[in-house]
Amino acid sequence: DAKTTQPNSMESNEEEPVHLPCNHSTISGTDYIHWYRQLPSQGPEYVIHGLTSNVNNRMASLAIAEDRKSSTLILHRATLRDAAVYYCIPDLNSGNTPLVFGKGTRLSVIA
Amino acid sequence: GAVVSQHPSWVICKSGTSVKIECRSLDFQATTMFWYRQFPKQSLMLMATSNEGSKATYEQGVEKDKFLINHASLTLSTLTVTSAHPEDSSFYICSARDPPKGRETQYFGPGTRLLVL
Repeated sequence: DAKTTQPNSMESNEEEPVHLPCNHSTISGTDYIHWYRQLPSQGPEYVIHGLTSNVNNRMASLAIAEDRKSSTLILHRATLRDAAVYYCIPDLNSGNTPLVFGKGTRLSVIA
Repeated sequence: GAVVSQHPSWVICKSGTSVKIECRSLDFQATTMFWYRQFPKQSLMLMATSNEGSKATYEQGVEKDKFLINHASLTLSTLTVTSAHPEDSSFYICSARDPPKGRETQYFGPGTRLLVL
């Protein structure tokens, strides 16, 4: 499994953008980059994923470096509800393989 | 999106008893389900992969005789913690993928918090 490096924690003010970085220098050419988040006392929830191109959805944007060795999850306007642990996970995208979680980044949002 | 449910959401039991946790995929069929556990302030750790109609595959260090997994149907997998001890107290989370619809997404249950006294 590709190893990832994420900051242990980050802090943001409410209504401001947040850029959550992830290094995955050993990612294989066929791995997708997934981002999940886990709110307190809940199971993880899907945020976004991509392979090579930048991606946008209603929750966030994902910027993938050209060499794919790093990516950045962008929350355009942080809300208090976005306070969670964010996990960046390279994954083969096979239906039979589980996601392997690293330590993630704990995001705090200040009102 | 697809929904995965777990029951119960929390359970308290005495040391030495067994506890069963159910994981259901509510609107899709899951050939494969995954069980994780999470200790306080730590990340999720994969325990086992549950395959419908066959034996589960356990991760290294996870006792298969202690954590019994049954995946008897395409929508239900159960995890039984046998002879539970206080060190088994944890947050147990199941997960499944819905290959036909969204191979890229793994759906997680809300978790079951187990406290063994």
